[in-house]
Amino acid sequence: AQTVTQSQPEMSVQEAETVTLSCTYDTSESDYYLFWYKQPPSRQMILVIRQEAYKQQNATENRFSVNFQKAAKSFSLKISDSQLGDAAMYFCAYRSALGDMRFGAGTRLTVKP
Amino acid sequence: DTAVSQTPKYLVTQMGNDKSIKCEQNLGHDTMYWYKQDSKKFLKIMFSYNNKELIINETVPNRFSPKSPDKAHLNLHINSLELGDSAVYFCASNYGGGAGRYNEQFFGPGTRLTVL
Repeated sequence: AQTVTQSQPEMSVQEAETVTLSCTYDTSESDYYLFWYKQPPSRQMILVIRQEAYKQQNATENRFSVNFQKAAKSFSLKISDSQLGDAAMYFCAYRSALGDMRFGAGTRLTVKP
Repeated sequence: DTAVSQTPKYLVTQMGNDKSIKCEQNLGHDTMYWYKQDSKKFLKIMFSYNNKELIINETVPNRFSPKSPDKAHLNLHINSLELGDSAVYFCASNYGGGAGRYNEQFFGPGTRLTVL
């Protein structure tokens, strides 16, 4: 079974600064999808960004971007110009082409004003 | 319009009781899931249904029984509730196959279950 590892239980960043959250995964498949979800205190799960494994170009969504290293099985999330509203739990997730979603343990991000 | 809805959002009950959580999605998805999020925020998949058929049944006590009357609904019934069942339960849905955007999983708002 695929596993997803987030090695940073907690991270903090100063407002307006940049922070990178790490994620690694283990798989023998070549076709899969990777996601970062955000869970604010409201507990709603919100999709931040997605990456298809067959695409070499790193996905970006406004202030959020990923560094996808397929050979290293690494999928980190970079948040630029951090805002107070970015404070949340961030979950990395893996999904095979026809399979279920597997989540990492999460990273709690604190943004300091 | 709410994409994935769950009721109730909060549920407080006594040990030994039986309770149900309902989930509905209006996105036309064919696959629905139940997740359990414990106090450490770990998200664990419990069940997956595709077109009303059970696809995934992780190691979950048989006190938990999902029911899918149609592909837009997936309910979770829990018998003989125990203290360890206290958690947040999330319903989610997506398309079972396809590429790119169709793989995004949409989540309900969660149901916080507290067993006293």
